[in-house]
Amino acid sequence: AQTVTQSQPEMSVQEAETVTLSCTYDTSESDYYLFWYKQPPSRQMILVIRQEAYKQQNATENRFSVNFQKAAKSFSLKISDSQLGDAAMYFCAYRWPVGKLIFGQGTELSVKP
Amino acid sequence: NAGVTQTPKFQVLKTGQSMTLQCAQDMNHNSMYWYRQDPGMGLRLIYYSASEGTTDKGEVPNGYNVSRLNKREFSLRLESAAPSQTSVYFCASSEDVRGLGYGYTFGSGTRLTVV
Repeated sequence: AQTVTQSQPEMSVQEAETVTLSCTYDTSESDYYLFWYKQPPSRQMILVIRQEAYKQQNATENRFSVNFQKAAKSFSLKISDSQLGDAAMYFCAYRWPVGKLIFGQGTELSVKP
Repeated sequence: NAGVTQTPKFQVLKTGQSMTLQCAQDMNHNSMYWYRQDPGMGLRLIYYSASEGTTDKGEVPNGYNVSRLNKREFSLRLESAAPSQTSVYFCASSEDVRGLGYGYTFGSGTRLTVV
């Protein structure tokens, strides 16, 4: 069975600095998708970034980038130049084509001014 | 605005009461899902519907029933609410086409408290 693990329940970063959130997953599939979702206090689930497993190049979206290590089954999220608005719960998630989205436990990120 | 609409946003129930959470999407997506979110456990799948007329159990289906009323609507029913069902509930939909990246669109969630 596929599983997703986020081992950092809480993280903290100073404004303008860089932070990395960790995620590992377990699967026997070779074709799948990985996602990071942001959940601010409003509760809305916001897609931050996605990675297709068959693409070796790491995905980037402005200040957000991932380090995708397929062999190690690792998918970390790096946030550069952290802003107060980045404070939120972050969820790592996995999906194989046409399957269900499986979430990690979440990492609560706080940003200190 | 296009998206997933959930109602209600907040609800308090007494133990044993029943209620239905409503969800509708206007993106013509085939698949729809119900998740619950609990602290330290992420989002867990309750039920899903891969297409109109089909429903299947997810990871935590006990105590819930669902109805895929049509392609747009997917409701979640609690027949006899229990305090263990206190949670935040999310509805989501997805377009299962490779070129679209298989992402989900989520509703804004329902905070349910059972006392």
